[in-house]
Amino acid sequence: NAGVTQTPKFRVLKTGQSMTLLCAQDMNHEYMYWYRQDPGMGLRLIHYSVGEGTTAKGEVPDGYNVSRLKKQNFLLGLESAAPSQTSVYFCASSYVLGNQPQHFGDGTRLSIL
Amino acid sequence: SQQGEEDPQALSIQEGENATMNCSYKTSINNLQWYRQNSGRGLVHLILIRSNEREKHSGRLRVTLDTSKKSSSLLITASRAADTASYFCATDHVHNAGNMLTFGGGTRLMVKP
Repeated sequence: NAGVTQTPKFRVLKTGQSMTLLCAQDMNHEYMYWYRQDPGMGLRLIHYSVGEGTTAKGEVPDGYNVSRLKKQNFLLGLESAAPSQTSVYFCASSYVLGNQPQHFGDGTRLSIL
Repeated sequence: SQQGEEDPQALSIQEGENATMNCSYKTSINNLQWYRQNSGRGLVHLILIRSNEREKHSGRLRVTLDTSKKSSSLLITASRAADTASYFCATDHVHNAGNMLTFGGGTRLMVKP
């Protein structure tokens, strides 16, 4: 039982390049989330999904797109990377019922030069 | 804007001492959760307290919630060097399509052996 797996773990991009971060969960969770973590800022929600084929904007969605084509996968895309998107990105998942904790992956460290 | 704010931002104690971290938030919540993050890793759920609960225990952890003051505290008793980590509070509230967790900036705890 792997839980939440994020790939890649590290990546360096040049400004303007694009990339996709992959999140996979094996807990049959309905909800999935993408956060970014910057020093001293805690985690901020980028986008989330309440089920296969659905996505919604979080607190800081600009510059990112997401897709949830399969229940177990949640993809985060950067179409044209900017230095301000240098951060650590975390994926999480949870059950649909209320009062449930979120389960996190170990993060993707992304640097944009 | 962040919903939860932790206090203090950093805390250094000796092994065996108790550690208390506080969290304040702004709007009504379904529940409040505490997470732990070891350096370079994802967040791990510690404890969840519902809005109609006032106190909850889990092992050496004690969490209180005061909804009238919009605040919570996490107490770690008899701390160990292995408790060294960052601790985050997160408030669970309704957001558009589903429930959303909003994280505070965290408390960095160092337990000296």
